[in-house]
Amino acid sequence: DVKVTQSSRYLVKRTGEKVFLECVQDMDHENMFWYRQDPGLGLRLIYFSYDVKMKEKGDIPEGYSVSREKKERFSLILESASTNQTSMYLCASSLSLGLQRNTIYFGEGSWLTVV
Amino acid sequence: GQQVMQIPQYQHVQEGEDFTTYCNSSTTLSNIQWYKQRPGGHPVFLIQLVKSGEVKKQKRLTFQFGEAKKNSSLHITATQTTDVGTYFCAGPASGTYKYIFGTGTRLKVLA
Repeated sequence: DVKVTQSSRYLVKRTGEKVFLECVQDMDHENMFWYRQDPGLGLRLIYFSYDVKMKEKGDIPEGYSVSREKKERFSLILESASTNQTSMYLCASSLSLGLQRNTIYFGEGSWLTVV
Repeated sequence: GQQVMQIPQYQHVQEGEDFTTYCNSSTTLSNIQWYKQRPGGHPVFLIQLVKSGEVKKQKRLTFQFGEAKKNSSLHITATQTTDVGTYFCAGPASGTYKYIFGTGTRLKVLA
């Protein structure tokens, strides 16, 4: 089974803090994603990576950055956390971009509260 | 940018009733996927549709991809309490690989 592991399930951070959300997948997937989930807004794509050191902006990249130094690991960074970044963050991965191998597998999610 | 809307946002049904959620994209999709998220859980892949007008069935669930590849629907026949959750559609705009998810439909089934 594919496993996508997010390092922290629940975090509480102060406004202005730098926050790291870590994600690891164990199936040698090429693609990794960060989404945030808010009621009524669904899942919104923050960043997407299709290879090591490669990244593309999603719909809401402002206030976030990402790092992919190794294939299995994709980190989401909030440079200076703000209260409007309180949300659930979902990391995901997919094998490749081909139609038969593009199922997206999600981690359990990280609930971030910024106070 | 591409937007994917789903209606309704919420639906409460009595067990045994049917349920349908609709997914509409602002741009043509090369394919569409459906996911289910149980309460407290994470989204889990259900199915993918690729061809215009395609219809696929999984037991009581019927998925349809529109002729113009801009909309899709999920129909559940005779809902059960195990169907409770939020259903999302997702697809990449043509020419991109970024999967954009819909706003989701939250289903509650009353026993």
